[in-house]
Amino acid sequence: DIQMTQSPSSLSASVGDRVTITCRASQNITNYLNWYQQKPGKAPKVLIYGASSVQSGVPSRFSGSGSGTDFTLTISSLQPGDFATYSCQQTYTTPMYSFGQGTKVEIK
Amino acid sequence: VQLVQSGAEVKKPGESLKISCKASGYRFTRFWIGWVRQMPGKGLEWMGVIYPGDFDVKYSPSFEGQVTISADTSISAAYLQWNSLRASDTAIYYCARRADSSWWFLDYWGQGTLVTVSS
Repeated sequence: DIQMTQSPSSLSASVGDRVTITCRASQNITNYLNWYQQKPGKAPKVLIYGASSVQSGVPSRFSGSGSGTDFTLTISSLQPGDFATYSCQQTYTTPMYSFGQGTKVEIK
Repeated sequence: VQLVQSGAEVKKPGESLKISCKASGYRFTRFWIGWVRQMPGKGLEWMGVIYPGDFDVKYSPSFEGQVTISADTSISAAYLQWNSLRASDTAIYYCARRADSSWWFLDYWGQGTLVTVSS
């Protein structure tokens, strides 16, 4: 099984901050990596697919990068609606499309 | 596109359960539907996926044998079923559709079904 490890598990940031979240895969997944945002009591929402492609309708302050085993989600200027939990997902190995444990972004 | 899931359930250990995910707004048979578990206060866990076009089902090894994923194309619904629930099955269960893309990601999600298993 491919294990996905995110860091940090949580972080505190202020509106306007640049935020970076890292996801590491236990083996090479090329660029089969997605990022989701989940707000309390809501279903997840896809932000990034294919490691760096921004889903339609997602603000341009969200970006993704990386390949192989190391990936990054960056929020260039944190907005009030961005306080949420972010999870990565690998889709390299069928049928085990595992998720990371999540990173909670809280208000500082 | 909408995925509407069945309502919250409270069950006892050992009971059976089948929850549903009703799709609308697209051709149901053309898109994979996945199921994701979220235990209280925890992260997302991939359970498995079904292609309603040919009923092909792929389970995560962690869930194979523990649940059954099925679909009914006549009413555009996918299902997640347990034969004998455990307290550890208490969680929110989401269905979600694979995007119309060469990439594999989930673009539309149901609202989630809370399953509580308690004696």
